[in-house]
Amino acid sequence: EADIYQTPRYLVIGTGKKITLECSQTMGHDKMYWYQQDPGMELHLIHYSYGVNSTEKGDLSSESTVSRIRTEHFPLTLESARPSHTSQYLCASSESVGGYSEAFFGQGTRLTVV
Amino acid sequence: QKEVEQNSGPLSVPEGAIASLNCTYSDRVSQSFFWYRQYSGKSPELIMSIYSNGDKEDGRFTAQLNKASQYVSLLIRDSQPSDSATYLCAVSRNYGGSQGNLIFGKGTKLSVKP
Repeated sequence: EADIYQTPRYLVIGTGKKITLECSQTMGHDKMYWYQQDPGMELHLIHYSYGVNSTEKGDLSSESTVSRIRTEHFPLTLESARPSHTSQYLCASSESVGGYSEAFFGQGTRLTVV
Repeated sequence: QKEVEQNSGPLSVPEGAIASLNCTYSDRVSQSFFWYRQYSGKSPELIMSIYSNGDKEDGRFTAQLNKASQYVSLLIRDSQPSDSATYLCAVSRNYGGSQGNLIFGKGTKLSVKP
């Protein structure tokens, strides 16, 4: 079944640790996105990718970095986690068909930095 | 002016009534519009997409688009308690390097009372 997967679902980690949030999709989509969402707040685009070796920063400045070495995989890394990074991180993917592309979301990773 | 604006609610309707959710957007040349449903603590789930002026119906859901007024709405007929969630309006950017990226409103929280 075509889907988009995120791991871990929940992560509690200490300040200063390096973390990688995983996102994989089996939908065959070219475009992938990372959004950040605080409780009760709107989604903010922090990174996106049009395909392999393509990564761009989104609207919200983020200290995280991303890579796209394989079409299906779009991990997000924080080199040194801080409490201000506590949030929900949502990965999404869509076909790259001009502007008519529906985006589908993974289940999200809820990150808490203590 | 925010790119996508929604009344945050909460919107409360009795079971069986019609719920009407509204959204305005600022980019006059936007071409793609989406409604997502997000339950508390979960990721957004696509429920409707609309690209042309007029109405689009899918089961109990009807999306309405008026590009001249830069307005998109979602009607939920025969509302059920299980429809209680936050409804996110999303608009696809149609310019420059971020073409196709979805920009989300803050969402409208809907509560359907039994």
